[in-house]
Amino acid sequence: DAGVIQSPRHEVTEMGQEVTLRCKPISGHNSLFWYRQTMMRGLELLIYFNNNVPIDDSGMPEDRFSAKMPNASFSTLKIQPSEPRDSAVYFCASGEEKTGMGQGPGETQYFGPGTRLLVL
Amino acid sequence: GQNIDQPTEMTATEGAIVQINCTYQTSGFNGLFWYQQHAGEAPTFLSYNVLDGLEEKGRFSSFLSRSKGYSYLLLKELQMKDSASYLCAHAGTASKLTFGTGTRLQVTL
Repeated sequence: DAGVIQSPRHEVTEMGQEVTLRCKPISGHNSLFWYRQTMMRGLELLIYFNNNVPIDDSGMPEDRFSAKMPNASFSTLKIQPSEPRDSAVYFCASGEEKTGMGQGPGETQYFGPGTRLLVL
Repeated sequence: GQNIDQPTEMTATEGAIVQINCTYQTSGFNGLFWYQQHAGEAPTFLSYNVLDGLEEKGRFSSFLSRSKGYSYLLLKELQMKDSASYLCAHAGTASKLTFGTGTRLQVTL
């Protein structure tokens, strides 16, 4: 099992540039999550998908952030334009939500290695 | 809203036992998770409690009291490799986890 795959692992860019982060979830998982982690704010949920449909994007900081999941094996998180305060580690995680209604027992989430983003 | 509190840092000696506490105030409850995160790495799943009581898994155990909004992670026979951050996370729904800021544990000789 390859686990959750993220690319790139590291990204350095200049303020104003577009940044695209990619994620391949574990095969068979139907939930996908994007998190951001900083020293100041810890691990924050940005958005999550269930069966490729965005369920909760209340954590997306502003309109500069967007996420898509065109199919069950691929998702992107895009920042346009990027700003220095976006510098953080971005994690993708996947899980298996069994009930399809979000009401069952909590699902274990498996994290990818993360993308370390630095915006200069 | 949701609020999760855990100590920022703890230090313990190799071979000892350490208990990391977590309190939460939330609406909705679908379980309480503990994750381990080594520096520079991704969080990895340790334990899950949805019913009151103790869940034991090797050297690690996790306890939950839903009425008190309280959980703890117990690490026995500490090893140097246990030095890491330990994240408490509440599941408001089956899918949505809210993480605490983590407890950084340092194991010393």
